[in-house]
Amino acid sequence: AQSVAQPEDQVNVAEGNPLTVKCTYSVSGNPYLFWYVQYPNRGLQFLLKYITGDNLVKGSYGFEAEFNKSQTSFHLKKPSALVSDSALYFCAVRDMNTGFQKLVFGTGTRLLVSP
Amino acid sequence: GAVVSQHPSWVICKSGTSVKIECRSLDFQATTMFWYRQFPKQSLMLMATSNEGSKATYEQGVEKDKFLINHASLTLSTLTVTSAHPEDSSFYICSATTLDTYEQYFGPGTRLTVT
Repeated sequence: AQSVAQPEDQVNVAEGNPLTVKCTYSVSGNPYLFWYVQYPNRGLQFLLKYITGDNLVKGSYGFEAEFNKSQTSFHLKKPSALVSDSALYFCAVRDMNTGFQKLVFGTGTRLLVSP
Repeated sequence: GAVVSQHPSWVICKSGTSVKIECRSLDFQATTMFWYRQFPKQSLMLMATSNEGSKATYEQGVEKDKFLINHASLTLSTLTVTSAHPEDSSFYICSATTLDTYEQYFGPGTRLTVT
């Protein structure tokens, strides 16, 4: 079964410092990986995806993610964190075992950026 | 583009009554819509997948007769919580996708409180 794991419930970083939110995956076949962000009482906003191609994927709001096949990881990164980046971040993988493009989500990581 | 709306954004109802939540794709035709439930500080739990014109596919453990899903057109899916109870109180999020995209576009969510 397809799955993703987010090992950290919370990540704390000071504004201006680089941030990393970790995600590892377990899939059969080629992974289709996604990162979403959720602000309080809001739906999910798409940040970026990896389907194929370059291992470094650039997304919205200055975020990027590095696909690492040998480590089965897809960590989200940003060179310089902003207080407004504080939110809940979800890693997801497309479930290729169904024809409905289902996504399987990780448990989420809360990012807190302090001023 | 790719905007998904939900209505209402929040609703309070009394125990035993039914509540209908609408999910609309505003600028694209959604062949598939998904309904998720999210408890506080938890990840999204997929409840069901609906395809236009056909019966919804429910995830294991989700009561079909309690959570009625209708996907009557390519731009509208509805979730009706029947005979609501306080334990049904949650944040319900829908998403939509098309056949030619790997992304799901999420609505802003509906907060349901059953008193």
